Amino acid sequence: AQSVSQHNHHVILSEAASLELGCNYSYGGTVNLFWYVQYPGQHLQLLLKYFSGDPLVKGIKGFEAEFIKSKFSFNLRKPSVQWSDTAEYFCAVNANAGNMLTFGGGTRLMVKP
Amino acid sequence: DAGVIQSPRHEVTEMGQEVTLRCKPISGHNSLFWYRQTMMRGLELLIYFNNNVPIDDSGMPEDRFSAKMPNASFSTLKIQPSEPRDSAVYFCASSLARDQPQHFGDGTRLSIL
Repeated sequence: AQSVSQHNHHVILSEAASLELGCNYSYGGTVNLFWYVQYPGQHLQLLLKYFSGDPLVKGIKGFEAEFIKSKFSFNLRKPSVQWSDTAEYFCAVNANAGNMLTFGGGTRLMVKP
Repeated sequence: DAGVIQSPRHEVTEMGQEVTLRCKPISGHNSLFWYRQTMMRGLELLIYFNNNVPIDDSGMPEDRFSAKMPNASFSTLKIQPSEPRDSAVYFCASSLARDQPQHFGDGTRLSIL
């Protein structure tokens, strides 16, 4: 069975700091990878996705993620965070076409102004 | 393009009462998901429908919970009788197929007193 781990449950950064949120999955075959963001009081929104091709994926609002197959990782990055990036971030994976997404436990990011 | 529509946005009721949450998926989406989100447990998948048929209800916590999808444009999640521990935000999501990105509704914030 596929599983997703987000090891950082809470992250606190100051504005302009760089961000990297970890995501690791357990499955050896072909995977599709996603990052979702949930702003306070709102629903989950798709931030970016990887299906195939360039392992460095660029998403909305300056976020990017890199798929490293050898490390089973899909870490989310942003070079300079803003207060408005305060949110909870969820990594999701589906292994093999046709399987449902499995969500990680989420990482709560707080950006101090 | 209308997104996933959930109603009501907020529900406050006394324990023992029946609660019905409603969801209208995005037109053309074949897969529909119900999630529950709490601080303690994070995001939990309750049930998943494909082409209006319940495929996986292993996440439904107990018999007090039931879900239906009578047609492609409507689904309900019912709790009877409700208990205080059911208090959570309930999200509905839909996707073109179960392995495609999910689009989430705004959620129903449920409080059982």
